[in-house]
Amino acid sequence: AQSVTQLGSHVSVSEGALVLLRCNYSSSVPPYLFWYVQYPNQGLQLLLKYTSAATLVKGINGFEAEFKKSETSFHLTKPSAHMSDAAEYFCAVSPPNTGTASKLTFGTGTRLQVTL
Amino acid sequence: DAGVTQSPTHLIKTRGQQVTLRCSPISGHKSVSWYQQVLGQGPQFIFQYYEKEERGRGNFPDRFSARQFPNYSSELNVNALLLGDSALYLCASTLRDGLYEQYFGPGTRLTVT
Repeated sequence: AQSVTQLGSHVSVSEGALVLLRCNYSSSVPPYLFWYVQYPNQGLQLLLKYTSAATLVKGINGFEAEFKKSETSFHLTKPSAHMSDAAEYFCAVSPPNTGTASKLTFGTGTRLQVTL
Repeated sequence: DAGVTQSPTHLIKTRGQQVTLRCSPISGHKSVSWYQQVLGQGPQFIFQYYEKEERGRGNFPDRFSARQFPNYSSELNVNALLLGDSALYLCASTLRDGLYEQYFGPGTRLTVT
């Protein structure tokens, strides 16, 4: 079965610094991968998705992620953190060979803290 | 346009009781998925419904059931509540089944005492 592992439950960066949130996947076939953000007391919002087109995926709010098959990774980055980026971030994978994004398996999440 | 709405916002139940959670998808969306998010963890897939048919079920006991109505709204029912059912229940809708963006509602916070 497919799964994702997020390394680091908490990440703290200074405002203006690089954001790097790590996600590694386990799947028997090339997966579809997603990053979501969850602000306090809100639902999840899609940041970006990888669906086997370009390996470098650009999302909203300046975030991007690179699919690396050799490393089974899909890390999320942002060149310069902003205070408004403080939130919980989830990596997710869709079930193989289904072509659907409606039955996702999520990682345990990484809480991003941004300090002045 | 209104987003995905869920009701109620918060709910407190006692062990052994039954609960019904409701979800209204974005207008025009025909697929609804339900997720359970226990505090400190990622969401876990429970059900997907598309065009009123169950399209997927996660690893949850039969105490959990759901349905989708002709207007594409959905209900999640949980019987014989356990303390471990305490969680945030999220509903997400998509235009149709496929690689379409899921839009999540704010969730229903269920506390079982």
